[in-house]
Amino acid sequence: EPEVTQTPSHQVTQMGQEVILRCVPISNHLYFYWYRQILGQKVEFLVSFYNNEISEKSEIFDDQFSVERPDGSNFTLKIRSTKLEDSAMYFCASIPSDAGELFFGEGSRLTVL
Amino acid sequence: DQQVKQNSPSLSVQEGRISILNCDYTNSMFDYFLWYKKYPAEGPTFLISISSIKDKNEDGRFTVFLNKSAKHLSLHIVPSQPGDSAVYFCAASEGTYKYIFGTGTRLKVLA
Repeated sequence: EPEVTQTPSHQVTQMGQEVILRCVPISNHLYFYWYRQILGQKVEFLVSFYNNEISEKSEIFDDQFSVERPDGSNFTLKIRSTKLEDSAMYFCASIPSDAGELFFGEGSRLTVL
Repeated sequence: DQQVKQNSPSLSVQEGRISILNCDYTNSMFDYFLWYKKYPAEGPTFLISISSIKDKNEDGRFTVFLNKSAKHLSLHIVPSQPGDSAVYFCAASEGTYKYIFGTGTRLKVLA
C-alpha cells in the first residue's frame, strides 16, 4: 500500500540552527500539508501546498518556516533558525485530489536544545 | 481560536461496550469531517469521514454522526476492543487547503 514517508525520524539540533525535514508524498497525490504536534497537545496545521505554491498557512508558519517541492518528489519543510518551542513531532500529509482524507506520514521528531 | 473542540480528554470503556467520542465545531462553513486514530510516535491514521450533506456514515464497527444544527459530531465504536485504545482526533475542513484538528480524546478499552 502506498504511503507517505518522512525523514529523519528523529533530529536533535541546537537552538538557532537550520533544520530541513523531508517528506515523500504518495506519488499521485496533488495536495501536500505539514502539521505539528507538541508533546501531548493537538495536531496543529502549519501549511498546505498545491501546484508549487503555498495555498494556506497558519499563524505558526512565520518567516522562519518555508516549504518547497524541489524535484517533483520530495516535499520539504525548512526551519531557518530553530527555537526551543519548535520541538515537536512534524507530520507530512497528502491527498490525491481536492477532497478526501489526509494520508499522514509517521512523523519526524524534532528536539531543539 | 479553537474551531474544533473535543471536551473529553479521556474516556474508559469496558471491552464489548460502546465507545462514544464527541466533537464540537464553531465554523458553520466546515463541509467535511473526519476521525483519526493515533498511537504514540506514529502518524494519525484515518478511520472514517462524513460530508455535510449526510448525517450518518457507517464502516464496520465505526459510525460517525453529524448534527449540523448543533455543530456536533460523534464517533461510535461498537463493540469496543482493547486494540481500539488510542488517542482519537476529529478534524474538519472547509475546502481542501486546511483541515483543523481537535484536541484529542484518549480512549482506553478495558479487557
